[in-house]
Formats: sequence, structure tokens, C-alpha cells
Amino acid sequence: KNQVEQSPQSLIILEGKNCTLQCNYTVSPFSNLRWYKQDTGRGPVSLTIMTFSENTKSNGRYTATLDADTKQSSLHITASQLSDSASYICVVSPQSGGYQKVTFGTGTKLQVIP
Amino acid sequence: NAGVMQNPRHLVRRRGQEARLRCSPMKGHSHVYWYRQLPEEGLKFMVYLQKENIIDESGMPKERFSAEFPKEGPSILRIQQVVRGDSAAYFCASSPPHRATETQYFGPGTRLLVL
Repeated sequence: KNQVEQSPQSLIILEGKNCTLQCNYTVSPFSNLRWYKQDTGRGPVSLTIMTFSENTKSNGRYTATLDADTKQSSLHITASQLSDSASYICVVSPQSGGYQKVTFGTGTKLQVIP
Repeated sequence: NAGVMQNPRHLVRRRGQEARLRCSPMKGHSHVYWYRQLPEEGLKFMVYLQKENIIDESGMPKERFSAEFPKEGPSILRIQQVVRGDSAAYFCASSPPHRATETQYFGPGTRLLVL
């Protein structure tokens, strides 16, 4: 069964600090891995997308890394801001079946405090 | 270009009533996906539709749930005879034609509460 596990479940950091969120998956073979940010009460918004051949992808203060051998991905947030408080969701698409067969992680709830 | 729109944003129903959730995809998008998110859980795929066609409904309960995406108008997710367990946030996402494997754009969701 395809699974996507994220850690930690929740995290509290001080404004201005960096943090790293983890995603481990068992989907294989896989097509791509995405990180989404979901603000409370809103729909997810895409941050990064990586194919199996990519190791890293940046979007402003967000940098995602991917190790397809160990089936691990991380999302690093630099110089955190209060607006980074949200849930961060890792989503993995299998190589076959198209996007509708994706597996969502349960997310990491990040709280940035002043 | 407006994003994905969903209405209502909040819906309260009593057990046994019907719930109708609407989703208008982004302009030019012809692929629509519905997801359900239970409290403290991840998003779960329900159904994937293109205009006038259900492509994959493998994530949708066999009874009481139905979805459509007519040639004109929004996509509708319909839940008949709602039960308390249907209480959840329902998200719609859309993607452009011929690019179903690309990023999906999510709407703000409809929060359904069944009393």
C-alpha cells in the first residue's frame, strides 16, 4: 500500500529561525513529489514539484530536496515568518495512474511565534 | 483570472438531508478533482472528472455520493441522506486539459457539518 509519512506532526519555532520538515514515502515507482502549504481554513497551495531525477527545488525561502534512493524528501524553510504558520503537505504521484492516484501525507503543522 | 471557486464555504445539514457542493474550476481548466479532508487527517481522493465524464470515482463511497461536471456550469458533489460521519472539509481542485499530471489548483473548500 502506498504511504506517505511526514514528521514531525507539529512544530513550533521562533520567527527568523530555520526549520526542516521530513517526508518518507513508499510509493514506487513514482512520478513526482510535491510540497503544498495549507493555511488554516484554505485550500492547499503548491510550493514545489520535483520529478524523480531532481534533487532540489527552491521557491523563495522554501527549498525542497529529494533522495529517490532512500525515498525521502525534506522541505527547508529559511528565516521563518509569522505567515509561514500553516500545514505543509507532501504529495506523491505514482508513475502510473495519473495524478488522480496521488497519495497525500497527513501534513506537518508549523507554528511560527514572535 | 479567478482561482478555483467553491460554494458554499460552510454548509450545515441535519442527518438525512442532502448536501450539494459546487466547484467552478479555473478558466480554461477542464479537469476537476474532489477530495475530502477529515479533521486531523490528510486529503483523500474521491473522484476525477472531465467535462461530462467521470474518469475515476474509485475514492468515492458507492452509496449516497455522486458527482457530475456538466458541459455548462460548475461541478457538483452531491451527498444524499447525510450522516454525521460525512462532516468534513471537501476540496475541489482543477488542472488544465492535457496536463492532468501537472500541478492542481485547489479551491478554498466547503466545510460540511452534519448535526
